[in-house]
Amino acid sequence: DADVTQTPRNRITKTGKRIMLECSQTKGHDRMYWYRQDPGLGLRLIYYSFDVKDINKGEISDGYSVSRQAQAKFSLSLESAIPNQTALYFCATSDSGEDTQYFGPGTRLTVL
Amino acid sequence: GEDVEQSLFLSVREGDSSVINCTYTDSSSTYLYWYKQEPGAGLQLLTYIFSNMDMKQDQRLTVLLNKKDKHLSLRIADTQTGDSAIYFCAENTGRRALTFGSGTRLQVQP
Repeated sequence: DADVTQTPRNRITKTGKRIMLECSQTKGHDRMYWYRQDPGLGLRLIYYSFDVKDINKGEISDGYSVSRQAQAKFSLSLESAIPNQTALYFCATSDSGEDTQYFGPGTRLTVL
Repeated sequence: GEDVEQSLFLSVREGDSSVINCTYTDSSSTYLYWYKQEPGAGLQLLTYIFSNMDMKQDQRLTVLLNKKDKHLSLRIADTQTGDSAIYFCAENTGRRALTFGSGTRLQVQP
């Protein structure tokens, strides 16, 4: 089984809809992250959480919110999706004792 | 500030060496990483180097770090068609999360 899983893997939705992307990990890591990937722009950080009670904004948090339901779960919500949120979204985890991040397989989101 | 730059595209012939370059601006970076992304897949950690090292070798992969010039490179020896992917360099200054370059698409021609 994969250590970092994301659901759904693909989603097509309409402008204005609320969307939740979920991430689960079995690595026992404290830290979890959400990134989005756009062609030619690399990955940009949306939100990150260093433990269950810690939530921090990244460089592009506007239009997004997150919830850290448990150490192993970190969800990303788009309250009212817009077309420029069409992108590939990645969840990642890391252990507080090291800096290396491990990525999930990604969720491809299309907002029409 | 933090900024990581890479060239967008590299094409090589199978069996040749590939060298992917990256520059970064934050001198406080503690670790520098290379990730590989195959089509339709997530990011796979390839290798990383600690900032007090100049070189790291792992089978066909060689990472070189020039701290003075803030330059990082990844050399892939005997490049194979399976090496075709997008390669991301990333830095971690220890403050929060990784800062990624825009990725270099490596195309390996048979």
